[in-house]
Amino acid sequence: ETGVTQTPRHLVMGMTNKKSLKCEQHLGHNAMYWYKQSAKKPLELMFVYSLEERVENNSVPSRFSPECPNSSHLFLHLHTLQPEDSALYLCASSQDAGGSAVKLFFGSGTQLSVL
Amino acid sequence: TQLLEQSPQFLSIQEGENLTVYCNSSSVFSSLQWYRQEPGEGPVLLVTVVTGGEVKKLKRLTFQFGDARKDSSLHITAAQTGDTGLYLCAPNAGGTSYGKLTFGQGTILTVHP
Repeated sequence: ETGVTQTPRHLVMGMTNKKSLKCEQHLGHNAMYWYKQSAKKPLELMFVYSLEERVENNSVPSRFSPECPNSSHLFLHLHTLQPEDSALYLCASSQDAGGSAVKLFFGSGTQLSVL
Repeated sequence: TQLLEQSPQFLSIQEGENLTVYCNSSSVFSSLQWYRQEPGEGPVLLVTVVTGGEVKKLKRLTFQFGDARKDSSLHITAAQTGDTGLYLCAPNAGGTSYGKLTFGQGTILTVHP
C-alpha cells in the first residue's frame, strides 16, 4: 500500500448531488489535512485534524464537511457544490501537526468537476 | 499578510541545461520546504531548509535558504526530462501553526528531450 491513498481519483457531480472523498494513510501519522488546488491559485489549506480533532478550519463554506473517524482515515463530504468548487482536492498526513519542520505526505488527489 | 512569490511562473528548457527558480517573501520563516508535483500526482517533499544561509544538495538539485530566512532558491544542474513538474516552495511559520505551510503558486518546469 502506498503512503496516502485517495479515492476516487476523478469525480464528476451535479450541483445537487452529495458525494464523499476518502483518504487513508498507512504511515502511522497523527495529523491529516485537506487542501484544495485550483488552476492558477496556490494550494489552499482547508482543514487540519490532529489526533482526530479538528484544529484548523480555514473559513471553508459549509457545503464542505470533513470527518476524521480515526487517525488513519479522513473524509470530505460534499453537498450542493458550485462550479467554482471544481479543483484537485489533496489529502495529506504528517507525523505531528505543529512545529517548524512538519513534513507533509500527499495523496494523488481527487480531480473534482462540478457541472 | 505575508506575500509569497515564486519566479519564474513557467520555464521551458532543453535537456542538459541548468536552471534556477526562486521563492521570495516579505516575512521571516523558521523553515522552508520545496516540493515537486508531477502531473496527476500530489506534491512530494524534496527538502527542508532551516538555517539562514543553509545549502542542501540532492543529486543535481541544490537548495539554498537566504541569510535572512525570507527567500530561497532551487538550482538544477543538467536538467533531465524527469525533472519536469511543478516546483512549490512552502515556508513554515512554525510554532503552533498546525503545519500550516503557505504554498507558493509554483514554477511549472518543462524539460524537452
